Amino acid sequence: DTGVSQDPRHKITKRGQNVTFRCDPISEHNRLYWYRQTLGQGPEFLTYFQNEAQLEKSRLLSDRFSAERPKGSFSTLEIQRTEQGDSAMYLCASSLALEPQHFGDGTRLSIL
Amino acid sequence: LAKTTQPISMDSYEGQEVNITCSHNNIATNDYITWYQQFPSQGPRFIIQGYKTKVTNEVASLFIPADRKSSTLSLPRVSLSDTAVYYCLVGGSYNTDKLIFGTGTRLQVFP
Repeated sequence: DTGVSQDPRHKITKRGQNVTFRCDPISEHNRLYWYRQTLGQGPEFLTYFQNEAQLEKSRLLSDRFSAERPKGSFSTLEIQRTEQGDSAMYLCASSLALEPQHFGDGTRLSIL
Repeated sequence: LAKTTQPISMDSYEGQEVNITCSHNNIATNDYITWYQQFPSQGPRFIIQGYKTKVTNEVASLFIPADRKSSTLSLPRVSLSDTAVYYCLVGGSYNTDKLIFGTGTRLQVFP
């Protein structure tokens, strides 16, 4: 069990650029979740997958955000035309049914 | 999902027992109570989950009164490394659906 892995750990980009983050869940975990966390706040749910199916999307996930989980393994979260308000920590978690969610250490996004 | 209320911050000293109480007045019959711990620049880490009465593991104890409208996370003999933010959540068993976090309790442990 190598844990949930996220890449990159930090990303700095200019406003208007596109960014993509990757999450590798714990192997055999069929559920994968994305959250966003801003300073001083708890994580906020964005979306989750069961295998390759995206089952729920938060209203926080605007049209500029897209998440995929091809083949039900790793997942990517893309943000298009980044804005200042997108600056946050993006957390990924995975789980098996009826087990706690295991979180990665996140990707910290900074928009210049 | 039920809303939770917990203190914004708490201070303690090494070796003391720390009790963090969480209110969840609107908890549903099927809801479980779960606590996560988060260190700076890390993702949250599951600590403990319970439904009623008392649950204990190697890290903490969770006390839940009969009406389940509150719960108390107990950390025995804290150390400096227990300085973190602690989140109380309510939802389905192991929250297999999305987790709803509040702002948590920031615990500072002093030497």
